[in-house]
Amino acid sequence: KAGVTQTPRYLIKTRGQQVTLSCSPISGHRSVSWYQQTPGQGLQFLFEYFSETQRNKGNFPGRFSGRQFSNSRSEMNVSTLELGDSALYLCASSLALPWEQYFGPGTRLTVT
Amino acid sequence: AQSVTQLGSHVSVSEGALVLLRCNYSSSVPPYLFWYVQYPNQGLQLLLKYTTGATLVKGINGFEAEFKKSETSFHLTKPSAHMSDAAEYFCAVSRGSNYKLTFGKGTLLTVNP
Repeated sequence: KAGVTQTPRYLIKTRGQQVTLSCSPISGHRSVSWYQQTPGQGLQFLFEYFSETQRNKGNFPGRFSGRQFSNSRSEMNVSTLELGDSALYLCASSLALPWEQYFGPGTRLTVT
Repeated sequence: AQSVTQLGSHVSVSEGALVLLRCNYSSSVPPYLFWYVQYPNQGLQLLLKYTTGATLVKGINGFEAEFKKSETSFHLTKPSAHMSDAAEYFCAVSRGSNYKLTFGKGTLLTVNP
């Protein structure tokens, strides 16, 4: 069974631009969560989607948004990029149990 | 609100020595507790979890952890370190059915030959 896939793996953007990251969960998984990982703040929860509905949201500005499609694939979007948005963005999928989340390899975003 | 404190951002051990990575949590409700490992340029891999039941939890790669409610701790141990254990380890907590994980800052484990 294929694991969680994230595309692209690496991305370089300029301050002020916007970016869209994609996450394909493990087949059959309906929950997708997103996390931001930085050296300074560590791993922080962004949001979680289940059956196309956002169920939980972390403490991030409105520039960070996400969505989930009917096939459970998820995208997150960051508008008006800032240097501080440079991070590893991880997504995790789950079948139905919150204690069994599987993480993808992440997308490394660099904002210059 | 929940929080996780990992004592020691960097732990160095010799190959074959005991590995002990410390984690303390705070939670207003019975917590679910996790240890994840992250190798360079990779995502997170679940090592073990505590949800309910037996407080001594065994995970993959010979790791185990013990949930001690009175000490609000969930320390990770391994009797004998291997070079392949060198990685960053994260302790995390969640509230029951909530999918949100709150992570500690991580502990980088170095294994010396």
